[in-house]
Amino acid sequence: EDQVTQSPEALRLQEGESSSLNCSYTVSGLRGLFWYRQDPGKGPEFLFTLYSAGEEKEKERLKATLTKKESFLHITAPKPEDSATYLCAVQVNNAGNMLTFGGGTRLMVKP
Amino acid sequence: DVKVTQSSRYLVKRTGEKVFLECVQDMDHENMFWYRQDPGLGLRLIYFSYDVKMKEKGDIPEGYSVSREKKERFSLILESASTNQTSMYLCASKSFNQPQHFGDGTRLSIL
Repeated sequence: EDQVTQSPEALRLQEGESSSLNCSYTVSGLRGLFWYRQDPGKGPEFLFTLYSAGEEKEKERLKATLTKKESFLHITAPKPEDSATYLCAVQVNNAGNMLTFGGGTRLMVKP
Repeated sequence: DVKVTQSSRYLVKRTGEKVFLECVQDMDHENMFWYRQDPGLGLRLIYFSYDVKMKEKGDIPEGYSVSREKKERFSLILESASTNQTSMYLCASKSFNQPQHFGDGTRLSIL
C-alpha cells in the first residue's frame, strides 16, 4: 500500500529562522511528488511538482528537493506570511491521476 | 488562472437528508475529483471522473455518489446524510500532465 508521511506535524519558527519540512514516501513506482500550501479555510494551492530523484524546484523562499525515499521543503528566512499547512502528495504509476496525500505540516512563523 | 468554484462555503443539513455539493471548473479539464479532509486523517479521495458520465471510486466511496453530466460540473451526492459525514469537502480538477487545482472547499455539518 502506498504511504506518505509528513514530519513534523507542527513547526514553530521565528521570522528569519530557516528550516525544512519532510515528506517520506513508500510507493510502488513514483510518477510525481507534489507540494501544496493550504491556508485556513481555503483549498490547497499548488506549489511544486518533482518527478525524479535529484530534482529541485524553487519559488521565493521555498525550495523543494527529491530523493528516492523522501522530499524536503526548505524554507529560507521565513516570514509570518509563510504560515500555513504544507501538504505533500504522490502520484504513482499504476494509479492514473489519483493522489495520495500526507497528513501535512502546520507551519507557524512568529514575527 | 484555473478557477474551481464550489457552490457553498458552509452548509448545515440534518441526518437522513439528501445533500448535493456542486463544483464547477472553467478550464475545460477532463479530470475532476472529490475529497474530504478531516483532522488527523488528511485528504482522502471519495470519487473522481475522467470524462463526462464517467466515474471511478476513490478510497472512501461508501455513502456517496457522484454525477458528471457536463464537462465543467461535478456533483457529490450524500444519499442519506449521517453525522460521520460532517467534514470539509474539497473539489479539484486537472488536465493532462498538469497538477490538480482545488476549490476553497465546503464545510458541511450534519446535525
